[in-house]
Amino acid sequence: ILNVEQSPQSLHVQEGDSTNFTCSFPSSNFYALHWYRWETAKSPEALFVMTLNGDEKKKGRISATLNTKEGYSYLYIKGSQPEDSATYLCAFKRSGSARQLTFGSGTQLTVLP
Amino acid sequence: DGGITQSPKYLFRKEGQNVTLSCEQNLNHDAMYWYRQDPGQGLRLIYYSQIVNDFQKGDIAEGYSVSREKKESFPLTVTSAQKNPTAFYLCASSIPAGVDGNTIYFGEGSWLTVV
Repeated sequence: ILNVEQSPQSLHVQEGDSTNFTCSFPSSNFYALHWYRWETAKSPEALFVMTLNGDEKKKGRISATLNTKEGYSYLYIKGSQPEDSATYLCAFKRSGSARQLTFGSGTQLTVLP
Repeated sequence: DGGITQSPKYLFRKEGQNVTLSCEQNLNHDAMYWYRQDPGQGLRLIYYSQIVNDFQKGDIAEGYSVSREKKESFPLTVTSAQKNPTAFYLCASSIPAGVDGNTIYFGEGSWLTVV
């Protein structure tokens, strides 16, 4: 079973603060790295799918970077808002695998007004 | 609206009983998945199906069974052989790998409690 680690496990920030968290994954046989946002009582929804080393993706105030050689991805949130409060999941897909994604345990973000 | 519907949302089961969780999608996706979440852990893959009438075991398939008789439907049966069935179960679907980055689309989940 592949090891996908996310840190920190949880995070509290004040409204307006910028924040970031980390996803670590195996650096060999990389195919794709996904980020999902999971709000309470809702379905997880996709933020980014990243496939190339050095990829940077942006969606509004949220952005992500990818380093496949060292096996990590950062998710950044600029100017956090209370509606950003959610659990952020990353998931790793290995090349040649039909078994789809291996998920990390998530970073739970709480943005305090 | 297109999406994935799971039912029931909450289910209580007596020990020793089998229970089936329903998952229906109208996204016309070929692939469907069942994940389980336990506190402090990532989503773990139970079973997946890439095409109708075919499915494969995931990482934690013991004590579970599935069927894929229709493209839209992928029910999960939690059998009495599953030693620790109390958990949150998520169904998901996707289009084939290599397209759309293989993004997974999720249902809202089902809570199963064994009493």
